[in-house]
Amino acid sequence: AQSVTQPDIHITVSEGASLELRCNYSYGATPYLFWYVQSPGQGLQLLLKYFSGDTLVQGIKGFEAEFKRSQSSFNLRKPSVHWSDAAEYFCAGWTQGGGADGLTFGKGTHLIIQP
Amino acid sequence: DAGVIQSPRHEVTEMGQEVTLRCKPISGHNSLFWYRQTMMRGLELLIYFNNNVPIDDSGMPEDRFSAKMPNASFSTLKIQPSEPRDSAVYFCASGRPGGSGYTFGSGTRLTVV
Repeated sequence: AQSVTQPDIHITVSEGASLELRCNYSYGATPYLFWYVQSPGQGLQLLLKYFSGDTLVQGIKGFEAEFKRSQSSFNLRKPSVHWSDAAEYFCAGWTQGGGADGLTFGKGTHLIIQP
Repeated sequence: DAGVIQSPRHEVTEMGQEVTLRCKPISGHNSLFWYRQTMMRGLELLIYFNNNVPIDDSGMPEDRFSAKMPNASFSTLKIQPSEPRDSAVYFCASGRPGGSGYTFGSGTRLTVV
């Protein structure tokens, strides 16, 4: 069955430090992959997406993600985090014909920024 | 573009009451999704519509849940009768077919007491 796994439930990073959030996928074919961010009390906002082509994709708010087929991964990175980046981050995947035509979400990673 | 609009933002109701959640998708988006978010289960897809037609409702937990989309600009998710375990944040999202990424509403936080 198709799935998206985020191994880290919580990540704590110092402000100004670099960030990497992990995401692994399991699909029969290469899915479309997405990263969303959810601030407290808010809906999910799309940060970036990968469909095909260049495996390094740029998103909003200074985030980027790299698709690695050999590792079935799509990790999210940011060179220097800001306190406002504290939020819940969700990785998601989609394939046509993979059952419900909706995104399959990981469980999320809660990012904590310490001063 | 006002985005995906959900109402109400918060709903507190007593067990056994009927609850109706509402969603207005983005104009031009012909796919609409209802998700439920809880701490224990994360984000779960309940049902999705394509061109106002329900395509897959396999995520709807039980018969107490029903969803309709009478036209391209409006959808409802109804729970009747509601139970405390239905307490969650319910999100509506809209998009275009093809998995191009969806726009989420701000959610409705439902508390059933």
